[in-house]
Amino acid sequence: SQELEQSPQSLIVQEGKNLTINCTSSKTLYGLYWYKQKYGEGLIFLMMLQKGGEEKSHEKITAKLDEKKQQSSLHITASQPSHAGIYLCGARPTQGGSEKLVFGKGTKLTVNP
Amino acid sequence: DTAVSQTPKYLVTQMGNDKSIKCEQNLGHDTMYWYKQDSKKFLKIMFSYNNKELIINETVPNRFSPKSPDKAHLNLHINSLELGDSAVYFCASSAGTNQKQYFGPGTRLTVT
Repeated sequence: SQELEQSPQSLIVQEGKNLTINCTSSKTLYGLYWYKQKYGEGLIFLMMLQKGGEEKSHEKITAKLDEKKQQSSLHITASQPSHAGIYLCGARPTQGGSEKLVFGKGTKLTVNP
Repeated sequence: DTAVSQTPKYLVTQMGNDKSIKCEQNLGHDTMYWYKQDSKKFLKIMFSYNNKELIINETVPNRFSPKSPDKAHLNLHINSLELGDSAVYFCASSAGTNQKQYFGPGTRLTVT
């Protein structure tokens, strides 16, 4: 079965610093999703990447998909306290639209003002 | 105008009891899901329904029984609750395959 490994497990940065979170899959990636979870709340969809080499940005968050490396990265520029939370990557384990998502164990981000 | 809603948000109960968690989505989606997030924040799929039909049933004890009365609702009933059932349960929905999933706020279940 497919497993997603996220690194680092936790990250503490000073406000204004850039940071990167990685998500590596044990198998081929068929779609990669990034979600953010604020403590005690639900998951907020950030971005979906489907093609190798694809890169998407929203405000100060950029996500890339390296299909050959079975890896995705999430980069936050000039971090703010509002970026704090748990970032989860999720992937479809099969091609052709599996209905389920397999998730990594999350990266806990703390941004100190 | 919440997209995916769950009730209750918190549920504290004793071992051996039976409880239900309700989920409703107003997005017109065909597919709904239940996920379980354990104490280590690991999120794992439990069930998935498409047009009221069960399409995914991961290795989940028979004590867990999902029910979808219509496309907009997917409820989760749990019999004979055990301590290990304590977790946050998330409902989600999507417009279909290859589409992003919208998550509800979660239900924190505590079994004492």
